[in-house]
Amino acid sequence: SSELTQDPAVSVALGQTVRITCQGDSLRSFYASWYQQKPGQAPVLVIYGKNNRPSGIPDRFSGSRSGNTTSLTITGAQAEDEADYYCNSRDSSGYHWVFGGGTKLTVL
Amino acid sequence: EVQLVESGGGLVQPGRSLRLSCAASGFTFNDYAMHWVRQAPGKGLEWVSGINWNSGNMGYADSVKGRFTISRDSAKNSLSLQMNSLRAEDTAVYYCAKGSGSSWLDWFGPWGQGTLVTVSS
Repeated sequence: SSELTQDPAVSVALGQTVRITCQGDSLRSFYASWYQQKPGQAPVLVIYGKNNRPSGIPDRFSGSRSGNTTSLTITGAQAEDEADYYCNSRDSSGYHWVFGGGTKLTVL
Repeated sequence: EVQLVESGGGLVQPGRSLRLSCAASGFTFNDYAMHWVRQAPGKGLEWVSGINWNSGNMGYADSVKGRFTISRDSAKNSLSLQMNSLRAEDTAVYYCAKGSGSSWLDWFGPWGQGTLVTVSS
């Protein structure tokens, strides 16, 4: 079982803001990364560290952390943002990586 | 541009072995940690293993420890995963991913396109 917990599915109206959350005790000690995965494609890193975006990732993607919860926020969701999103961090031991179960984002 | 190309996947019987490779280009391979991550059909992501820039330290998921071995070849800019005693539950797409720094304890990305391993009799 994953040490990081995500809601299985979230929906958002086109152009609105959506927050996808990830909970886990290890998040109090370690920052999470967020990956976007579209059907049939490899995951793509969208947020890492405190709130950093790799080059090429739109600035509508942002990250934050509060206590044992880390969040990915999409401000002004676009149709192309419809995908599965996974959080990833080190586990409580610090010597393994774990992923959340994933959140399927639907843009209405 | 970072390019990671996995190979070596295929159909293998339970209990047998398989070796995956990942050819890396577009960055200084010897400076970065590398990882393997897998995804069973229709399921989520699972980290498998990571290795430091100089092969001095590795980490493994509990589900593969003692059966899988990660290694790298600096001369060939290549990452490998030797998988022994394969089980049906090892069936997955296996991705290699570039570390962000020299340690496998740092975040990672980008990823290759993956290679499918199917364990079945």
